[in-house]
Amino acid sequence: GEDVEQSLFLSVREGDSSVINCTYTDSSSTYLYWYKQEPGAGLQLLTYIFSNMDMKQDQRLTVLLNKKDKHLSLRIADTQTGDSAIYFCAEAPLTYNQGGKLIFGQGTELSVKP
Amino acid sequence: ETGVTQTPRHLVMGMTNKKSLKCEQHLGHNAMYWYKQSAKKPLELMFVYNFKEQTENNSVPSRFSPECPNSSHLFLHLHTLQPEDSALYLCASSPLGRSYEQYFGPGTRLTVT
Repeated sequence: GEDVEQSLFLSVREGDSSVINCTYTDSSSTYLYWYKQEPGAGLQLLTYIFSNMDMKQDQRLTVLLNKKDKHLSLRIADTQTGDSAIYFCAEAPLTYNQGGKLIFGQGTELSVKP
Repeated sequence: ETGVTQTPRHLVMGMTNKKSLKCEQHLGHNAMYWYKQSAKKPLELMFVYNFKEQTENNSVPSRFSPECPNSSHLFLHLHTLQPEDSALYLCASSPLGRSYEQYFGPGTRLTVT
């Protein structure tokens, strides 16, 4: 089946690193994504990783993929109050890739305290 | 305007009303999507359109009726909704064949009374 799991909340202090974790079930997924949703706004694509990669770095963001354990993480270095938002993990199972179906997790609400 | 826009941003409707949500994208994309976002639940894909043709209907009740007159516009027609249909409805678009590049609109917050 298709299922993406995330913890619902994470609280960190400004300047610390944040690590948001996600597990997925469909090993056929060729792409895995992280989206950010700020209050009152739609989802913004932050980054994505191909399934044949272990790591992708983009400025303060580091994505780690453990394909064997079907585990994806997003690390935000030097977390700022502006990073407070809900972060969604999503997978694109190969079966649905032609149709554009993304399977989303419930979202992790990141709270950054000054 | 740029990106993906949605109107209205907020909508309150009774169970017997008929209303429509509108989505417009200015990105030159050929695929458009409707999602439902309920509190503390994963986003639910409702419909997918590729080149104005519906390619996905994720078992959505018939009280939701999508319409895609061209690649830039997407509508969601609503009638005889239920209170449990209250949610944030998000529209997204992407280049055809590149669903990983979905750009989302800000959503319409729908409340059914």
